[in-house]
Amino acid sequence: DTAVSQTPKYLVTQMGNDKSIKCEQNLGHDTMYWYKQDSKKFLKIMFSYNNKELIINETVPNRFSPKSPDKAHLNLHINSLELGDSAVYFCASSQVQGGEKLFFGSGTQLSVL
Amino acid sequence: SQQGEEDPQALSIQEGENATMNCSYKTSINNLQWYRQNSGRGLVHLILIRSNEREKHSGRLRVTLDTSKKSSSLLITASRAADTASYFCATDSNTGNQFYFGTGTSLTVIP
Repeated sequence: DTAVSQTPKYLVTQMGNDKSIKCEQNLGHDTMYWYKQDSKKFLKIMFSYNNKELIINETVPNRFSPKSPDKAHLNLHINSLELGDSAVYFCASSQVQGGEKLFFGSGTQLSVL
Repeated sequence: SQQGEEDPQALSIQEGENATMNCSYKTSINNLQWYRQNSGRGLVHLILIRSNEREKHSGRLRVTLDTSKKSSSLLITASRAADTASYFCATDSNTGNQFYFGTGTSLTVIP
């Protein structure tokens, strides 16, 4: 059983399209995150949700909208995709907010053409 | 920025040698963690060291923390080809509810 699973693993799309990435964790954790890893491997937090409530929104453009239907799921919807959105997006979870250990999904490589 | 910065950016060693990588950060922390990322995979937690600890061991891993210098080091002893990966340090925020990562050290262990 995969602890944190995200789909799809690869996403290739044209500029201007809208796409979604799904994430699910079966660890019973309260807190979930979205991170963006750029081509230089720099990993930056985008959002954090605790029990379905938005906790952190790190100056991410409004085109990015996270949705948490329940505490086991945190999906990421991106409108009007731009070339600069190309990156690897990672979902992660921790037991509690401020939890000391992050569990990561295997990533979604987004390529915007 | 509060992010950790790893040094060196890349490291190549022979199997059996020790690998040391360093992390520097800018603000006070509650704890510091090290993660490993294999190519095409997500990050995996390796070890956590709290701000009141100076050294911690886990198997072939040894982590040190010097809060006066705002730096940490990760030592992998008797390296193996399977240790080839990128290694990241992560520091927590002032509020403790998020983590800041750097760009990592890319380690290559040559068989």
